[in-house]
Amino acid sequence: DAKTTQPPSMDCAEGRAANLPCNHSTISGNEYVYWYRQIHSQGPQYIIHGLKNNETNEMASLIITEDRKSSTLILPHATLRDTAVYYCIVRVTHNAGKSTFGDGTTLTVKP
Amino acid sequence: GAVVSQHPSWVICKSGTSVKIECRSLDFQATTMFWYRQFPKQSLMLMATSNEGSKATYEQGVEKDKFLINHASLTLSTLTVTSAHPEDSSFYICSASRSGRSYEQYFGPGTRLTVT
Repeated sequence: DAKTTQPPSMDCAEGRAANLPCNHSTISGNEYVYWYRQIHSQGPQYIIHGLKNNETNEMASLIITEDRKSSTLILPHATLRDTAVYYCIVRVTHNAGKSTFGDGTTLTVKP
Repeated sequence: GAVVSQHPSWVICKSGTSVKIECRSLDFQATTMFWYRQFPKQSLMLMATSNEGSKATYEQGVEKDKFLINHASLTLSTLTVTSAHPEDSSFYICSASRSGRSYEQYFGPGTRLTVT
């Protein structure tokens, strides 16, 4: 699976959009981009995934660049409960579970 | 739907003893379950892949005789830490994938193991 690079930490004001970047310059054509988050002392939670088109669900939006070498997770209206470590992972879909977690980005939402 | 539970949520054991951690998929059948370990302030590290009815596949560097994995049914996988030592103290997390929807992965809440 391709390696990802994320900033170690970010702050965001409550109610504002949180934009979390991820670099995956070695991604291959059959690899998807997945985002998970982990709130302190809990198991990771699936957020969203995509291949090359932008995706949106009730939690977030995923913007993938045309060359697929980077992506951005957008939380449109961050709340204090969104404070967590966010992990960007790239993997082939049929290898679900065999995920390589990097260090992630610690997002702190401040009042 | 797609809930994964773990039991116990935390456990303290003495050095040299064994401890079993259960991972259950509550409302779906999971042909594959995965076990991760997470040390404080570190990321998750995949330990092994567990398939129902067959032997687990361990990642490089993980001792299969120390971390026994059994996937006896489509809803239950167990991880037994044998002869536990303080360095085995960690947060153990399982995840499961649904039959026919392997792209989805659901994580359990984790089990905090402390070996004294």
